[in-house]
Amino acid sequence: DVVLTQTPVSLSVTLGDQASISCRSSQSLEYSDGYTYLEWYLQKPGQSPQLLIYEVSNRFSGVPDRFIGSGSGTDFTLKISRVEPEDLGVYYCFQATHDPYTFGAGTKLELK
Amino acid sequence: EVQLVESGGGLVQPGRSLKLSCVASGFTFSNYGMNWIRQAPGKGLEWVAYISSGSSYIYYAETVKGRFTISRDNAKNTLYLQMTSLRSEDTALYYCARDYYSSYTPNWFAYWGQGTLVTVSS
Repeated sequence: DVVLTQTPVSLSVTLGDQASISCRSSQSLEYSDGYTYLEWYLQKPGQSPQLLIYEVSNRFSGVPDRFIGSGSGTDFTLKISRVEPEDLGVYYCFQATHDPYTFGAGTKLELK
Repeated sequence: EVQLVESGGGLVQPGRSLKLSCVASGFTFSNYGMNWIRQAPGKGLEWVAYISSGSSYIYYAETVKGRFTISRDNAKNTLYLQMTSLRSEDTALYYCARDYYSSYTPNWFAYWGQGTLVTVSS
């Protein structure tokens, strides 16, 4: 199975700071069609997860432009510029390139 | 408005079976792939199973393969997860999630239910 390793496990930030989360895959996530099926989700406390980013760097509808996804192959990053209170929660990367499909273990973004 | 409502969770003894349902509304259910994703208490997300719109493509996580069966009834707008030989490690909140577009693999879980809790304990 593809293992997605997220770092850090937790991240303490001040509102307005930039936050950066890494997701490293045990295999390349580029599919044979040339696309890379790496997604990012945010789960706020007490809520179901919500989709932020698909195919590495595309923001889903309604996601603020302070969320920036990047990367290729096996190394991916989610950056949040100017963290706001509604950004707090647990972030997960997910790969839909290789069956079985897998999530990273999560990164908790909290206030310092 | 897309709505996904899971049900069927509860307390079950190890080794027994349970069937979860997810009723969909607000979209043409037969056009989209569907997924089950679970979250053990205080833990992260685990993708469990996927079924394509017409049930031609089905995939499972290794942890449930051979024990769980995903299915759907497009006439009833309902997704199912039949769980057998349940173990304590299957204890989790089970979410159903809809794909964003029609394909033969999971994609962009843009819509999620609120989940149904399964507790496996004697």
